Amino acid sequence: QSVLTQPPSVSAAPGQRVSISCTGNSSNIGAGFDVHWYQQLPGKAPRLLIYGNSNRPSGVPDRFSASKSGSSASLAITGLQAEDEADYYCQSYGNSRNDFYVFGTGTKVSVL
Amino acid sequence: QLQQSGPGLVKPSQTLSLDCAISGDSVSSNNVMWNWIRQSPSRGLEWLGRTYHRSRWYTEYAVSVKSRINIKADTSKNHFSLQLSSVTPEDTAIYYCVRAIISSDAFDFWGPGTMATVSS
Repeated sequence: QSVLTQPPSVSAAPGQRVSISCTGNSSNIGAGFDVHWYQQLPGKAPRLLIYGNSNRPSGVPDRFSASKSGSSASLAITGLQAEDEADYYCQSYGNSRNDFYVFGTGTKVSVL
Repeated sequence: QLQQSGPGLVKPSQTLSLDCAISGDSVSSNNVMWNWIRQSPSRGLEWLGRTYHRSRWYTEYAVSVKSRINIKADTSKNHFSLQLSSVTPEDTAIYYCVRAIISSDAFDFWGPGTMATVSS
């Protein structure tokens, strides 16, 4: 089950900015492990959007940015576009005694 | 590219078997790990396990499925597979084979997914 907490949904008009939070604890994000973010378009597999807390893979627009602080992380989308309407998930390393990797609950971004 | 194959319907108590064929990379590569992740409305995204090669083969599994799962690599076919035994309707999900690159430990390449339904 998902261990990292995200808001279920956020929405904004085209061109606006949205921010998605990802809250963990001292066993995962708070332990210093990196946070990665994924975008999942409807009916598609997730796609890596941000790795290592704030790095964008080649091909990801610079309107996507992310940061991490303490036991939380956040993803920001500026200049929101219709094609950004998707589900977004954070992910970190968990406690290897239980699970190696943990995911967020997911946030649906709607473009009004 | 990752190409998935396997039956979409499995009966309760039987074994779910899925394959993931790799092209453009090697299952034996020393800088990647090969994972299985599933997604369902009730459990969200759930990491199941991984295999990787570092002078020998390693496998690691999620505690939730550890007693029922087996992940194997086949170097002759350049693919890796998932077997999940004693399935129940709770195992109904989309199953993804996924590459993780060790430099970041992020899941950088995902297969298209296979919808597996457990039903009699």
